Amino acid sequence: KAGVTQTPRYLIKTRGQQVTLSCSPISGHRSVSWYQQTPGQGLQFLFEYFSETQRNKGNFPGRFSGRQFSNSRSEMNVSTLELGDSALYLCASSPSGGPWGPGNTIYFGEGSWLTVV
Amino acid sequence: KNEVEQSPQNLTAQEGEFITINCSYSVGISALHWLQQHPGGGIVSLFMLSSGKKKHGRLIATINIQEKHSSLHITASHPRDSAVYICAVTGNQFYFGTGTSLTVIP
Repeated sequence: KAGVTQTPRYLIKTRGQQVTLSCSPISGHRSVSWYQQTPGQGLQFLFEYFSETQRNKGNFPGRFSGRQFSNSRSEMNVSTLELGDSALYLCASSPSGGPWGPGNTIYFGEGSWLTVV
Repeated sequence: KNEVEQSPQNLTAQEGEFITINCSYSVGISALHWLQQHPGGGIVSLFMLSSGKKKHGRLIATINIQEKHSSLHITASHPRDSAVYICAVTGNQFYFGTGTSLTVIP
């Protein structure tokens, strides 16, 4: 069974540009969640999608957005990139319900390393 | 203000030693998770706890809901246990600790 796949793994963007990251969950998983990890702030929750609907959202500006498709694949987009957006962006999937709820196991992808210059 | 505090931040141990990593939280939670992150980024979920104690191989996780505290123990540590261990809690929001970097020396 394939794991959570994130693309691209590494990318460099210029300040002001936008970026789209992709996440393919484990087959049959309907919940996809996104996280940002930086050395200064650690791991932070961005948002979670379930059956194409955003169900939970962290405390990030509107420049960060996402969506989920009918096949559960998800994308996140960051517009007007800032230097501080340089981070590892992690995607995770879980079978159903909330990604962190009791009884659910969450599976992470390897992440997308974004550098903004 | 950090809703989740981990200690220690860094830990170096000799192979075979017993290791304890602590996590304290200040918010109401429905569950607490221990995560392991190896160099390169990938994260593995080790445990999900809402009460009591869980054991998986050489790893043991405990939680005390009244004291808002959890511990992750590694018995007979091995160099392959070297990683960052992150405590995360879920309640009405998601909160993560800053992680404990563990290095096990052969």
